[in-house]
Amino acid sequence: DTGVSQDPRHKITKRGQNVTFRCDPISEHNRLYWYRQTLGQGPEFLTYFQNEAQLEKSRLLSDRFSAERPKGSFSTLEIQRTEQGDSAMYLCASASQETQYFGPGTRLLVL
Amino acid sequence: RKEVEQDPGPFNVPEGATVAFNCTYSNSASQSFFWYRQDCRKEPKLLMSVYSSGNEDGRFTAQLNRASQYISLLIRDSKLSDSATYLCVVNIGNQFYFGTGTSLTVIP
Repeated sequence: DTGVSQDPRHKITKRGQNVTFRCDPISEHNRLYWYRQTLGQGPEFLTYFQNEAQLEKSRLLSDRFSAERPKGSFSTLEIQRTEQGDSAMYLCASASQETQYFGPGTRLLVL
Repeated sequence: RKEVEQDPGPFNVPEGATVAFNCTYSNSASQSFFWYRQDCRKEPKLLMSVYSSGNEDGRFTAQLNRASQYISLLIRDSKLSDSATYLCVVNIGNQFYFGTGTSLTVIP
């Protein structure tokens, strides 16, 4: 257990529905990252926060994806109007320096 | 072009063997480098950072060649427990880019 938690661990949804995932990082870490990982691939960087500021979001996969970290603690990743191609593992990581600690991920299946 | 390229393998080696993984990166502004290990259906975990001077942690040795934009990982005396996917990672401006990973299976 790295100290990073994600909720839910699994999500099954129907195409067109919205989903929201939560990440609780290690409390003293000021940076938080979101990644997507599909089978046979490495984690794909989506976005990251330093405290409450979202410093990079150009890598979010489409405008259906958005992330927030309103108080600089936990973060949420929302996918609107889900598509079957969104099925993947969504990983969160927190970091204070250069070492990232990953949560267990949320596995999303879009039917 | 991907930021990080790795041979996906799989590498199947007998116990006790020495195995080497390589990866290349495309952005010369890459600042720092890492190897992560990922077990099946688990999250990635940091194995070691990679420095130009080379660094060793027990049976694991990592090397960085900035001129060739190339990173390596050497595992000596492979154990069954080394079976996993090894991910090469580069940091560009606090953004981390992962390779596809190299799959290793150590066979008894």
